[in-house]
Amino acid sequence: AQKITQTQPGMFVQEKEAVTLDCTYDTSDQSYGLFWYKQPSSGEMIFLIYQGSYDEQNATEGRYSLNFQKARKSANLVISASQLGDSAMYFCAMVGTALIFGKGTTLSVSS
Amino acid sequence: NAGVTQTPKFQVLKTGQSMTLQCAQDMNHEYMSWYRQDPGMGLRLIHYSVGAGITDQGEVPNGYNVSRSTTEDFPLRLLSAAPSQTSVYFCASSADLSKNIQYFGAGTRLSVL
Repeated sequence: AQKITQTQPGMFVQEKEAVTLDCTYDTSDQSYGLFWYKQPSSGEMIFLIYQGSYDEQNATEGRYSLNFQKARKSANLVISASQLGDSAMYFCAMVGTALIFGKGTTLSVSS
Repeated sequence: NAGVTQTPKFQVLKTGQSMTLQCAQDMNHEYMSWYRQDPGMGLRLIHYSVGAGITDQGEVPNGYNVSRSTTEDFPLRLLSAAPSQTSVYFCASSADLSKNIQYFGAGTRLSVL
C-alpha cells in the first residue's frame, strides 16, 4: 500500500532563513509522482512543485526545491529565504495507483 | 479565470438530510476528484472521475455518491448526512493523468448537527 509520512507537526523559522520540510513515502509502484501543496489560513490548496519518479534532476520552482532521494524514499521540500507569507500548512502528496496526502506540517515564519 | 468553483462555501445540515455539493471547472480537465479534510488527517480521497461517465471510489467513499454527466461538473451527494461527515470538502481537477497535478477549489465547510 502507498503511504506518505510527514513527521514534523510544526516548524518555526525566521524570515530569510531556509527551511526543510520532511516527507517520506512508501510505494511498490515503479512510476509515481510526488507533490507539495501549500494551504494558508484562508484554506485554499495551492500547488507548489512536482517531481516524477524518473526525473533525474530535483524539481525547482522559484524559492521552492524538492530534494528527491529515491533510494531513501524521501521528497523533502526546501524553501529558501523564508517570507512571512510562507506561514501555512504544507502537504506532501503522491500519485501512483492512488493519490494520497500526508497529514501536513505547519510552518510558522517570524520576523 | 474561474478554475475550479465549489458551491456552497458553508453549509449546516441536520442528521438525515440530503444535499449536493457542487463542483465545476472551466479548464476542460478530464480528471476530477473529491476530498475531505479533517483535523490531523490530511486530505482523503472520496471519489474520482477520469472522464465523463466514469467514476470510481477513493479511500473513504461510504455515504457519498457521485456522477459525471459532463466534463465540467462533478457533484458530490450526501444521501443521509451524519455527524461523521462534518468536514471541509475539496474538489480538484487535473488535465494530465500521467502527472495528475491537481488544482483545487476553495472548499466547502460542512457541519452536520
